[in-house]
Amino acid sequence: EAQVTQNPRYLITVTGKKLTVTCSQNMNHEYMSWYRQDPGLGLRQIYYSMNVEVTDKGDVPEGYKVSRKEKRNFPLILESPSPNQTSLYFCASSLIFGTDGYTFGSGTRLTVV
Amino acid sequence: AQSVSQHNHHVILSEAASLELGCNYSYGGTVNLFWYVQYPGQHLQLLLKYFSGDPLVKGIKGFEAEFIKSKFSFNLRKPSVQWSDTAEYFCAVNALGGGADGLTFGKGTHLIIQP
Repeated sequence: EAQVTQNPRYLITVTGKKLTVTCSQNMNHEYMSWYRQDPGLGLRQIYYSMNVEVTDKGDVPEGYKVSRKEKRNFPLILESPSPNQTSLYFCASSLIFGTDGYTFGSGTRLTVV
Repeated sequence: AQSVSQHNHHVILSEAASLELGCNYSYGGTVNLFWYVQYPGQHLQLLLKYFSGDPLVKGIKGFEAEFIKSKFSFNLRKPSVQWSDTAEYFCAVNALGGGADGLTFGKGTHLIIQP
């Protein structure tokens, strides 16, 4: 089944403890992206990747890192999480940037205390 | 950079009522337009999309949307809603050559259908 898989689904952590949210797609998509969803703000793009080893900042990149060493994986790294990063995170992918809609993962609900 | 505006943050309707959710975008060039739906506790799913051609596009679950270029609008419609349509709806724009690098989403419309 074609899908985008995120892990974990839920995570509670403490301020400053590094964490990684994984994202993997099995559709050979070139383009992958991370969004955070907050009430009243909709979805805001954190980082995106056009292809392997090509990543760039979105609208709200502060406090986040990403890497794209393989086509299928696009992990989101929070080196030192803070409470304002408490949010619902979605990974998404599309075959080629700009030509199609996204396939979204199931989301990761992160709480930083 | 493009922006997307959804006019209504919350909409409450009764079953069988007609639905229209407004979406306007700001970008003068070529756009790809999308509507996504997010059911409670779930991820976003594509309802419909417009790339080119017939400005009236039909999607899943009886939804349709009309692209009106002169109004920079892409409103979502459904003639008769059901209780199961309760969800959050997001309009999104991909401005081709607009300098942004991904979909720009509106802030969403929370739709509640009362039985």
